[in-house]
Amino acid sequence: DVKVTQSSRYLVKRTGEKVFLECVQDMDHENMFWYRQDPGLGLRLIYFSYDVKMKEKGDIPEGYSVSREKKERFSLILESASTNQTSMYLCASSPHRGSYEQYFGPGTRLTVT
Amino acid sequence: RKEVEQDPGPFNVPEGATVAFNCTYSNSASQSFFWYRQDCRKEPKLLMSVYSSGNEDGRFTAQLNRASQYISLLIRDSKLSDSATYLCVVNTVGSYIPTFGRGTSLIVHP
Repeated sequence: DVKVTQSSRYLVKRTGEKVFLECVQDMDHENMFWYRQDPGLGLRLIYFSYDVKMKEKGDIPEGYSVSREKKERFSLILESASTNQTSMYLCASSPHRGSYEQYFGPGTRLTVT
Repeated sequence: RKEVEQDPGPFNVPEGATVAFNCTYSNSASQSFFWYRQDCRKEPKLLMSVYSSGNEDGRFTAQLNRASQYISLLIRDSKLSDSATYLCVVNTVGSYIPTFGRGTSLIVHP
């Protein structure tokens, strides 16, 4: 079974803090994704990566950055957290460029106060 | 116009009922189609792929209508455990970034 893990299930941070969300997959997948999910807005893509050290902006990259130093790990960074970044953050992976099925981690519920 | 549209529901049905959801997509170059299921406070999980010829998995049937650009999910003999949000996912030729619908909520009651 594919396993995608995320570093925290729940996180509370203060406005202005730097926040790191980590995601690890154990199936040697090439593609990794970061989404946020908000009520009524569905899943929105923040960033994705199709290879180590490669990254592409998604639909809502502002206020976020990412890092992929190793194939299995994809980190999402909030440089200076703001209250409008309170959300559920979901990491996903997919095997390779031509595959479309995504495997999600359990999510991190981030609250910024 | 949203690329992938779903009726948010909720669809409220009794156990044993048959329920169907539709999902419309706007990009005619769409190539691959999926249904995901998301339980409350959980991550989305792949339910089934949708093939051109239609496909069935137990009580679940998925169909694709390319001419009208929609996919459907039919659930027969609904169970309480089918209560969840069902997400429609569409992929376009040349892109490996899927487009998610906002989901349809299903509540199955006793």
